[in-house]
Amino acid sequence: GENVEQHPSTLSVQEGDSAVIKCTYSDSASNYFPWYKQELGKGPQLIIDIRSNVGEKKDQRIAVTLNKTAKHFSLHITETQPEDSAVYFCAASKNYGQNFVFGPGTRLSVLP
Amino acid sequence: SQTIHQWPATLVQPVGSPLSLECTVEGTSNPNLYWYRQAAGRGLQLLFYSVGIGQISSEVPQNLSASRPQDRQFILSSKKLLLSDSGFYLCAYLRAHEQYFGPGTRLTVT
Repeated sequence: GENVEQHPSTLSVQEGDSAVIKCTYSDSASNYFPWYKQELGKGPQLIIDIRSNVGEKKDQRIAVTLNKTAKHFSLHITETQPEDSAVYFCAASKNYGQNFVFGPGTRLSVLP
Repeated sequence: SQTIHQWPATLVQPVGSPLSLECTVEGTSNPNLYWYRQAAGRGLQLLFYSVGIGQISSEVPQNLSASRPQDRQFILSSKKLLLSDSGFYLCAYLRAHEQYFGPGTRLTVT
């Protein structure tokens, strides 16, 4: 079955710097890769996603890149702000959104 | 617009007691529904998913069960809770290919 790894497990950056979180997946049939942000005590919130037919997608300060050959995808946050502090999860699924396999999460801390 | 509700928000139960967590979705018909468990500081573990009324698939063997008595209602149950059942339980639904989560239930088994 699919296995998703995520690095780093914790990340601290200064406000205004960029943050990068990387995930790798094992199943080449996976074709949909969402990223979720989870604040303390709340459910994860979808922040950006990418399909396998696209190499990069950007939404304001957030971007995701996908390398199908290497089977990895990354989340890039630019000009980080304290409110970006949260746990971020990547996920992979086949059939554009049937069952999802999640990475273990990255705790991002943005220091003022 | 679609919304997803979970209750209760928090629950403290003794070992060996029963459990019933409820999830309801509004604004969509026949959604795929999911139950996840998140242990403290850990990732999301898929427990059950359902593609329709009465259709439940289990991802991991455990003392939990799920039921879908109505199109937009998903219930997670246990007859006898274990200490290891403590965690944050999340319900989710699928819209197109995107998965959306509820606010979660924090379960503490004492």
